[in-house]
Amino acid sequence: GAVVSQHPSWVICKSGTSVKIECRSLDFQATTMFWYRQFPKQSLMLMATSNEGSKATYEQGVEKDKFLINHASLTLSTLTVTSAHPEDSSFYICSARETSGTGELFFGEGSRLTVL
Amino acid sequence: TQLLEQSPQFLSIQEGENLTVYCNSSSVFSSLQWYRQEPGEGPVLLVTVVTGGEVKKLKRLTFQFGDARKDSSLHITAAQPGDTGLYLCAGTGSGNTGKLIFGQGTTLQVKP
Repeated sequence: GAVVSQHPSWVICKSGTSVKIECRSLDFQATTMFWYRQFPKQSLMLMATSNEGSKATYEQGVEKDKFLINHASLTLSTLTVTSAHPEDSSFYICSARETSGTGELFFGEGSRLTVL
Repeated sequence: TQLLEQSPQFLSIQEGENLTVYCNSSSVFSSLQWYRQEPGEGPVLLVTVVTGGEVKKLKRLTFQFGDARKDSSLHITAAQPGDTGLYLCAGTGSGNTGKLIFGQGTTLQVKP
């Protein structure tokens, strides 16, 4: 089946630094990818829709300058958490929608960010 | 804004019991998905329901989509400890974005 890979799966960084998380569709093309944030024992909260070749669409309340999204190719979207602070610590999950075929949505394994 | 209300949010039962999780909205969804998520992993798709009134079965799990396509339920028969996890309903939003809106999730614990 289709696979979406996230990297890194976990990362620890110091407050004030920036962290980049990659989301790759390994065996299919994805014009659209989605980034979610999840706190412990809570559901997934949609942060933004990443569109290949154009600007991302952010959900209300999500700071676009804080969470930079780049979707430079049909198989890669990146989320950069800029000037990270402890409150940015969370589980970040991406999903990718297959451009052709059924348009099914596939989820990555998630990336655990801890900001010290 | 389309919202999905999922209930209950926490459920702790004994092995062998039955349970039902509900997912309700005031909006119509083109499709509804049910996911299961283990700690530290991404959600895994269990089923997609598309047609109003549709019922799908996956072993001991029964999924139903409301006639008006605004609500869905997940029923587990004779729950087992292996069913323990976070269950999420999600609906495909209106418009052309196709983004997925998640309910609050149900944390299920099945005790042996």
